[in-house]
Amino acid sequence: GQSLEQPSEVTAVEGAIVQINCTYQTSGFYGLSWYQQHDGGAPTFLSYNALDGLEETGRFSSFLSRSDSYGYLLLQELQMKDSASYFCASLNDYKLSFGAGTTVTVRA
Amino acid sequence: DGGITQSPKYLFRKEGQNVTLSCEQNLNHDAMYWYRQDPGQGLRLIYYSQIVNDFQKGDIAEGYSVSREKKESFPLTVTSAQKNPTAFYLCASGTSGTPYEQYFGPGTRLTVT
Repeated sequence: GQSLEQPSEVTAVEGAIVQINCTYQTSGFYGLSWYQQHDGGAPTFLSYNALDGLEETGRFSSFLSRSDSYGYLLLQELQMKDSASYFCASLNDYKLSFGAGTTVTVRA
Repeated sequence: DGGITQSPKYLFRKEGQNVTLSCEQNLNHDAMYWYRQDPGQGLRLIYYSQIVNDFQKGDIAEGYSVSREKKESFPLTVTSAQKNPTAFYLCASGTSGTPYEQYFGPGTRLTVT
């Protein structure tokens, strides 16, 4: 089976930087995706890493190390609207397996 | 506007009844997925379909059934055999070339009492 571990909660102030780590144990691994979900809403795709290294998309960046089975999502210049749950998801055999999610709370 | 729709948003049923959740997309996506989300947990894959008239079981298919007769539609039936059907159900679609990027509908919150 697939297993992904990420912290359950993170709290930070506006303007700060938050890093959400994700470690995975999977078979047939192709890459790691990140999704954002506001309370009660639909998850939205943020980023995908198939190769080692950093991918930057505006204020959000994602990193993957395949040798360490590890990735992270970096949220910079935090804004109140970034308060949400963030999920890492491994792509295996054309299917996504999701972690339990990290709830990010941004304080003024 | 292109998108993926699910209806209804809230659904209430009595134990022992089958219920069908609707999922429609006009994004011309080949692949469609059904997930279940329980409070404080991630998404778990129920069924997925990569092409019309074909679908595969996900990690928690027991007590559920699907059909894919049209590219645009992927309804999910929650049967009375599902032991704990109360949950938030999310439908998603995507292209076969980018399975890591899925587009989600707004979800249906099913409550069975």
